[in-house]
Amino acid sequence: KNEVEQSPQNLTAQEGEFITINCSYSVGISALHWLQQHPGGGIVSLFMLSSGKKKHGRLIATINIQEKHSSLHITASHPRDSAVYICAVPLNAGGTSYGKLTFGQGTILTVHP
Amino acid sequence: DGGITQSPKYLFRKEGQNVTLSCEQNLNHDAMYWYRQDPGQGLRLIYYSQIVNDFQKGDIAEGYSVSREKKESFPLTVTSAQKNPTAFYLCASSSVLYNEQFFGPGTRLTVL
Repeated sequence: KNEVEQSPQNLTAQEGEFITINCSYSVGISALHWLQQHPGGGIVSLFMLSSGKKKHGRLIATINIQEKHSSLHITASHPRDSAVYICAVPLNAGGTSYGKLTFGQGTILTVHP
Repeated sequence: DGGITQSPKYLFRKEGQNVTLSCEQNLNHDAMYWYRQDPGQGLRLIYYSQIVNDFQKGDIAEGYSVSREKKESFPLTVTSAQKNPTAFYLCASSSVLYNEQFFGPGTRLTVL
């Protein structure tokens, strides 16, 4: 079993739909990262969060440290949101927010017009 | 604009040849990283460098080598000892070790 599990692995949506991507991890952490990988391969950091919720535009990230679970939501999805979304956690950081990251396998999102 | 550049974007090499991937950053970051990405798998850490003239093996360092002679540059050499070198390689940097990382555009290496 992977230490960082994402679901679903593939997600197809129609433009305007509400999207949810989930990330579960196996040990306690203090922070979690959400990354976006564009079709060309470049990666952009979306969020780093350690509790509660963060919002940036149409993107919302939530985390429940006790349940070892995070979700990334996209409201009013658009074809330009099509990308791979990756969660990453510092699994061996000794309770600090920073440490070597372990990455999920990614969720491939395709939004059709 | 500050950022990370990797060159080339696509690279083809014959089996048995060493190849060096370039990574340059102008973010004044101390820490730099090399990751490998294979289809259906998460990024895996090859090597990282906390500061100039220092680097450490990551999870999959066998068959790879790096140098960090300048703060801005962290080239990765894929040697002939790497058994399955065809992959997408990503370089990243952070202000200090393990802080928020910024990624380059990646180099797709194909060994024929």
